[in-house]
Amino acid sequence: KAGVTQTPRYLIKTRGQQVTLSCSPISGHRSVSWYQQTPGQGLQFLFEYFSETQRNKGNFPGRFSGRQFSNSRSEMNVSTLELGDSALYLCASSPGVAGQETQYFGPGTRLLVL
Amino acid sequence: GENVEQHPSTLSVQEGDSAVIKCTYSDSASNYFPWYKQELGKRPQLIIDIRSNVGEKKDQRIAVTLNKTAKHFSLHITETQPEDSAVYFCAAILYNKGGKLIFGQGTELSVKP
Repeated sequence: KAGVTQTPRYLIKTRGQQVTLSCSPISGHRSVSWYQQTPGQGLQFLFEYFSETQRNKGNFPGRFSGRQFSNSRSEMNVSTLELGDSALYLCASSPGVAGQETQYFGPGTRLLVL
Repeated sequence: GENVEQHPSTLSVQEGDSAVIKCTYSDSASNYFPWYKQELGKRPQLIIDIRSNVGEKKDQRIAVTLNKTAKHFSLHITETQPEDSAVYFCAAILYNKGGKLIFGQGTELSVKP
């Protein structure tokens, strides 16, 4: 099976813009979780989607949103970008809900906000 | 991580020595504890996980131990090799946070030849 893929891999935006990141899970996986990774903060949980429903949400402002489609592909959107949003955004998929089965990570999208 | 504390943040060992990384969690209902390894510029990859019905699990040079009473779990790497150099993350499923998989802050392991 193909692994988790994310597009784009690199992105440069300016403050105030918005961005949409995409994640395609492993075929058959129904759960997609999103994480923000920064050098000082490790892997911070953003949200988890399972069967098109947001199952959990982390402690991020409302500027961060996401959705999942019927084919389990997921997108996350960040509006009104701030410099502090510069990070590696990782998604991970699993067959069932996170914690019940192994999560497999994608390569990430590196976002730079200028 | 939110309620998963990981120590140490950096660890340097000589090749052939053992390395131990420890994590504590807050939710006594937690029952799943994976460990991920992230090499520089690569995605995190699962190296071992443990569920709360066992106290220890081994896979070649890697082992994880779990103490549910004390709410902590540890990763043990024996006979370390330079290719073990990476950042290691522990995680725990926290049901008091809605069933989220929360990661520790990571440990940067350096194995010196």
